[in-house]
Amino acid sequence: GDSVTQMEGPVTLSEEAFLTINCTYTATGYPSLFWYVQYPGEGLQLLLKATKADDKGSNKGFEATYRKETTSFHLEKGSVQVSDSAVYFCALKLAQGAQKLVFGQGTRLTINP
Amino acid sequence: DVKVTQSSRYLVKRTGEKVFLECVQDMDHENMFWYRQDPGLGLRLIYFSYDVKMKEKGDIPEGYSVSREKKERFSLILESASTNQTSMYLCASYSGYRLEQYFGPGTRLTVT
Repeated sequence: GDSVTQMEGPVTLSEEAFLTINCTYTATGYPSLFWYVQYPGEGLQLLLKATKADDKGSNKGFEATYRKETTSFHLEKGSVQVSDSAVYFCALKLAQGAQKLVFGQGTRLTINP
Repeated sequence: DVKVTQSSRYLVKRTGEKVFLECVQDMDHENMFWYRQDPGLGLRLIYFSYDVKMKEKGDIPEGYSVSREKKERFSLILESASTNQTSMYLCASYSGYRLEQYFGPGTRLTVT
């Protein structure tokens, strides 16, 4: 079935470090791909998305590129801040059928000053 | 801005009680969703609704039911709460135009 696999957490980095959170997916057809972020005590909010192969989504200094050949959508940021501490979820939506998302298990990120 | 509100942030119920979780969205979205969030498991879809009075089971519907009598409101019902339903429950609505799900702040339910 359709699924999303994220790198295991938790991830702890120092401020200004480079961040990569890996995400790979299994799906039929051409899904849309998303990164959602959940700050402490809040619901999820969309961070970025890509709807077709080779698209790059970007927001708040974060980037992710839709790689069809490796079925991946890795999240990257060049210089993280303490305020980036949160849980990050990778997700996909199938092109056909119901408008539901399939989520990865989430990666907790902690940035130390 | 889209707003999705949930009736309670924290809820404590006893085993066997009937529990209602309410969700309201203000953007006239047709699609609404209920998820539960557990550590290491991500978000799992319980039920979703694509129109008033229409519903479909998600991946883990057992022990839950839903109600959608009005477009803006989607309720999750635990018919007889059990301790394994202790979890964070998240509601979302979907904008087909923006291709984005909007989430409420969540309800942390504890069943004792």
